[in-house]
Amino acid sequence: DGGITQSPKYLFRKEGQNVTLSCEQNLNHDAMYWYRQDPGQGLRLIYYSQIVNDFQKGDIAEGYSVSREKKESFPLTVTSAQKNPTAFYLCASSTSLRLSSNTEAFFGQGTRLTVV
Amino acid sequence: DQQVKQNSPSLSVQEGRISILNCDYTNSMFDYFLWYKKYPAEGPTFLISISSIKDKNEDGRFTVFLNKSAKHLSLHIVPSQPGDSAVYFCAASDGPNTNAGKSTFGDGTTLTVKP
Repeated sequence: DGGITQSPKYLFRKEGQNVTLSCEQNLNHDAMYWYRQDPGQGLRLIYYSQIVNDFQKGDIAEGYSVSREKKESFPLTVTSAQKNPTAFYLCASSTSLRLSSNTEAFFGQGTRLTVV
Repeated sequence: DQQVKQNSPSLSVQEGRISILNCDYTNSMFDYFLWYKKYPAEGPTFLISISSIKDKNEDGRFTVFLNKSAKHLSLHIVPSQPGDSAVYFCAASDGPNTNAGKSTFGDGTTLTVKP
């Protein structure tokens, strides 16, 4: 059963601590993404990766870091430098390039991070 | 400057009626548009898309219309069902070499379908 899995579903972090959110996919997709959603807002792109060992900053990369050592995995670290980390984080994957037919991103269930 | 705008934060319709969700964009480089549906505490799921070479795409009860000159697209749901109640996001991407998942999202419209 192919899909994309994020863990944990809920995460609490003390101020000043780094925390890593997990994202795994078994869809054989080359590209993976991290988005952030705040209440009443759309999704904003944090980082994306088109291929293993390569990734690019999105619109709001400051205070975050990622790695892409395996095709299946794209973990996101929220560092202490992120000023407002409390949010809903969504991981997604897709084919690397847009195809002529319907092509879309497949999203995980999300991780809600709360800084306490 | 927000490049994809969904100006209606919420919409309420009666079951069986048509739901029309609107989306405006400003970037003329956008050439592929998607609608995602999202339930609370879940990830979005793809609903329907349209390429800029078309002005209409239909999939069952869902139809997306694109007006390139007006930089406007809309999602029509006919007939609306209570299970359609969710947040609907409009998303846009530019260029055929853009990663399929790298999109700019609107803020979403919460649709409530009343029985």
